[in-house]
Amino acid sequence: AQKVTQAQTEISVVEKEDVTLDCVYETRDTTYYLFWYKQPPSGELVFLIRRNSFDEQNEISGRYSWNFQKSTSSFNFTITASQVVDSAVYFCALQTGTASKLTFGTGTRLQVTL
Amino acid sequence: SAVISQKPSRDICQRGTSLTIQCQVDSQVTMMFWYRQQPGQSLTLIATANQGSEATYESGFVIDKFPISRPNLTFSTLTVSNMSPEDSSIYLCSVEVGYEQYFGPGTRLTVT
Repeated sequence: AQKVTQAQTEISVVEKEDVTLDCVYETRDTTYYLFWYKQPPSGELVFLIRRNSFDEQNEISGRYSWNFQKSTSSFNFTITASQVVDSAVYFCALQTGTASKLTFGTGTRLQVTL
Repeated sequence: SAVISQKPSRDICQRGTSLTIQCQVDSQVTMMFWYRQQPGQSLTLIATANQGSEATYESGFVIDKFPISRPNLTFSTLTVSNMSPEDSSIYLCSVEVGYEQYFGPGTRLTVT
């Protein structure tokens, strides 16, 4: 069975601080995909990244970066120099096989204040 | 990428009634997924809908309660039947395009 754990329920930071959102996953499959989504207060789910299990390279996109470590089954997400617009709920998700369901973590609510 | 629209965006319904949610995609896709997000919770898959075949339901979800139609490769509907307040949730459809999964804007349902 697949499982995704986001242990941080809520995080509050002051603008310009760096923040890391943790994601730990469990699966017995050797091929799998990891996702991060952002859900702002408006409710829509915004796709941020997809990473496959064979690619452990870290990725940077602007202020966002992702650290994938198979040894610890983690796929953590860092926002550098956070902004108020980053305030949202962030979900980590796991997919085993293409065109199959996503198993979501419980989400981390990030509040960025001035 | 994919552009997904859902109708209605929100509704308030009476207990015991049914609501049909529509999902339209701007490209042809093999599979469509329906998720539920209860208030303050994560997303849970209800079912997977293939065009031309019966939907596949996840544990805890049944066809009588959540009938799904998939008449073509760009459209699907989810019906929430005989609603109770516990069905108050956001319902989202999702598709996979180019190895990325995209979500519609969701239908926010409140059952009174």
